[in-house]
Amino acid sequence: GAGVSQTPSNKVTEKGKYVELRCDPISGHTALYWYRQSLGQGPEFLIYFQGTGAADDSGLPNDRFFAVRPEGSVSTLKIQRTERGDSAVYLCASSLTPQGNTGELFFGEGSRLTVL
Amino acid sequence: RKEVEQDPGPFNVPEGATVAFNCTYSNSASQSFFWYRQDCRKEPKLLMSVYSSGNEDGRFTAQLNRASQYISLLIRDSKLSDSATYLCVVKGHSGYALNFGKGTSLLVTP
Repeated sequence: GAGVSQTPSNKVTEKGKYVELRCDPISGHTALYWYRQSLGQGPEFLIYFQGTGAADDSGLPNDRFFAVRPEGSVSTLKIQRTERGDSAVYLCASSLTPQGNTGELFFGEGSRLTVL
Repeated sequence: RKEVEQDPGPFNVPEGATVAFNCTYSNSASQSFFWYRQDCRKEPKLLMSVYSSGNEDGRFTAQLNRASQYISLLIRDSKLSDSATYLCVVKGHSGYALNFGKGTSLLVTP
């Protein structure tokens, strides 16, 4: 497809488990972002990649969260020792350049994580 | 204090009404401003950019007041299909992250 693809769309896990969420951005988009959206809240910035490197990871809440983008395309968000408070929709977005002046990020449909 | 503040609503208006949403931001160094729209259980999508000179797109008008650090969105002649959450978005001076407000929920009724 032409849009941002995220898998899984839904993930239910138990407290303390490890999860990986995958994002396949729009082909040719060099900038990739992860956001987290809790119920009733706006998306919260987690991390930004320009190419393979994390240019800004200031939004990661703690060291249980880590993200990679080894070949500058697909990215994986990794959460260790999950907690109930990690339950949210994890949104991935991409853009052709670091947004430029258009401000347009193309979001995937998200991965809904539920930690029991 | 959150960087972007919005009245969460909900705003319930009849078809044809005019409705206005407001938003304030805390970082005076912010460079760019946008409104995104998010339908229920869907991803956010860019609605329009916001400029100091005002920006109009059909029934939608966005306005920025840098001195007051205030952003607005006006929707005229509301349609049922306008029902959604409207997210106020501010891009910081770093140029990377877009900072989203909590969103304002709009329900347009017949």
